[in-house]
Amino acid sequence: AQSVAQPEDQVNVAEGNPLTVKCTYSVSGNPYLFWYVQYPNRGLQFLLKYITGDNLVKGSYGFEAEFNKSQTSFHLKKPSALVSDSALYFCAVRDLNRAGNMLTFGGGTRLMVKP
Amino acid sequence: SAVISQKPSRDICQRGTSLTIQCQVDSQVTMMFWYRQQPGQSLTLIATANQGSEATYESGFVIDKFPISRPNLTFSTLTVSNMSPEDSSIYLCSVGSGGRYNEQFFGPGTRLTVL
Repeated sequence: AQSVAQPEDQVNVAEGNPLTVKCTYSVSGNPYLFWYVQYPNRGLQFLLKYITGDNLVKGSYGFEAEFNKSQTSFHLKKPSALVSDSALYFCAVRDLNRAGNMLTFGGGTRLMVKP
Repeated sequence: SAVISQKPSRDICQRGTSLTIQCQVDSQVTMMFWYRQQPGQSLTLIATANQGSEATYESGFVIDKFPISRPNLTFSTLTVSNMSPEDSSIYLCSVGSGGRYNEQFFGPGTRLTVL
């Protein structure tokens, strides 16, 4: 079965510093990987996805993610964190073995950006 | 992208009662999904709802507890029946094309508290 793991429950960074939120995946076949963000009292918002092509994927709000096949990772990054980036981040993988090809989510990582 | 609305946005209910959550999409979609997000947790898929057929439930979820309707391609309801405090969660509606390349879109969620 396809799965993703987010090893950190929480990441703390200072505003203006670079941030990384980690995600590793386990799939059979080609991986289709996604990042979502959930702000307090809001639904999930799509940030970016990797399907094929360039290993560095750019997304919304200045976020990017680096696909690394040898390390089976898809870490989310941003060069300079903002306090407003504080939220819950979910990595997800498309499960092609399940009806509807729906997404399987990691456990989530809470990002705290301090002024 | 699809715009999804949910009603109610939040509710506080008494043990033993039922609540029906509505999900409305601004375009016709094939696949609709219902997720549960327990406090501080990741998303767990409850069921997949296709128009014109019975919903498909994930392991651990049953139709008697979570009946779902899908009367057309833009609307679905999820009922949480005979509620207990353990049902206190955020319930999220999601839509997708079923294709492997496309992201899923999520509604804002319904925050349910059962006393």
